[in-house]
Parts: sequence; C-alpha cells; structure tokens
Amino acid sequence: DAGVTQSPTHLIKTRGQHVTLRCSPISGHKSVSWYQQVLGQGPQFIFQYYEKEERGRGNFPDRFSARQFPNYSSELNVNALLLGDSALYLCASSLGLTGANVLTFGAGSRLTVL
Amino acid sequence: EDQVTQSPEALRLQEGESSSLNCSYTVSGLRGLFWYRQDPGKGPEFLFTLYSAGEEKEKERLKATLTKKESFLHITAPKPEDSATYLCAVQSGATNKLIFGTGTLLAVQP
Repeated sequence: DAGVTQSPTHLIKTRGQHVTLRCSPISGHKSVSWYQQVLGQGPQFIFQYYEKEERGRGNFPDRFSARQFPNYSSELNVNALLLGDSALYLCASSLGLTGANVLTFGAGSRLTVL
Repeated sequence: EDQVTQSPEALRLQEGESSSLNCSYTVSGLRGLFWYRQDPGKGPEFLFTLYSAGEEKEKERLKATLTKKESFLHITAPKPEDSATYLCAVQSGATNKLIFGTGTLLAVQP
C-alpha cells in the first residue's frame, strides 16, 4: 500500500505569491493534518480535517487555509507568502479522531520563499 | 499550555556506546506520547506510542519508557544507521493534534 503522498516535493516562490500543496492519505484514513517544520525545529500543527470538516486549527494567520475533498485528499493553501513561510510542510493521515491515533507522515513539500 | 522539551539537543556517540534521550512534558489529559525518527529531508517515521506511566516498548536497539512527567528513549549498542533526529510528541484533547519537541539530533560514529 502507498503511504502518504505529497506534491510537489520542492518549490520556490517569491514574496507575495500564493502556493497550493497537495496530500493523498493512506487508503482508509479519513483524517488529514498539516504541519509546518522550520529548519531545526519540531513540526508545528496547522490544521486537522476529518470527514471534510475542519476539526482543529493551530496558531497560524488567516493566510493559511486548507480543505479536504470527498476522496479524503487535502490541499493546503498559503496566500501572500512571506520569507518566514519557508519550511517543510508535512501532511499526516490517521484512521480517525478517537483514542491515541498514530499519525503517518508524508515526505513533505519543501517550500522556499525568496 | 501543553509543552514538550527534549534533551540533549544533539548527541554524538561511538558505535556501541549506549545512551538515553529525554522528553519532558506537561499536558492536560494525555492520550498518548509518541516517538518518531526523522532522517534529513524526510517526514517523521513512527516508532512508538506510550499511553500510561510505567509502560515500556521495545524495537530492535530502541526502548521507550514513560513516567507521569517524562519519557526516555534508550538506545542500546547503537549503529551508524541509527543516526537521525528523534522527535517526541504528545497528543491530548479532542483532536489528533500532536505537540512536538524540537528533537534530539543523534550522530553515531563508526
């Protein structure tokens, strides 16, 4: 079975542009979460979606938005990019919400903002 | 506020030299404590979940333990392929949100 797949793997943008990152969860997983990992830091929670509804949001500005589609894939959108948005963006999927759910991470999308 | 602190930030070991990584946490309503391994440029890879104080889990040269305030990842006779960043995270509340520490960068020299 394929794991969590993310695209693109690398991208370079300039300040003020917007970006869309995509994620396909493991088959059967209904929950998708997004994390931002700045170099040298641990991942920071951005969003969680379950059954196409937002179930959690981290401390990120409104420039960050996401959605989940009927096939459980997800997109993360970032508008008006800033230099500080340069990071590895990780998508993770899990079966559900209850209990201690193991999150399986994708390889990430490396965003560089110039 | 939920918080996770890992120490040391970096650790250099000789092959075969056993050691431990520490993860201290404060959380309301712990649902689980997770250990992940992350190689450069890749996403975190799941290692263990611990649910309650006193629990222990093992996988090859790794053993994770949990108390009410901290978790340890013991590495016995490490090999160079164990070199990676080890991340600790806690899960609490009504969602799957993970709160991560900053990680311990482990380098094992042959």
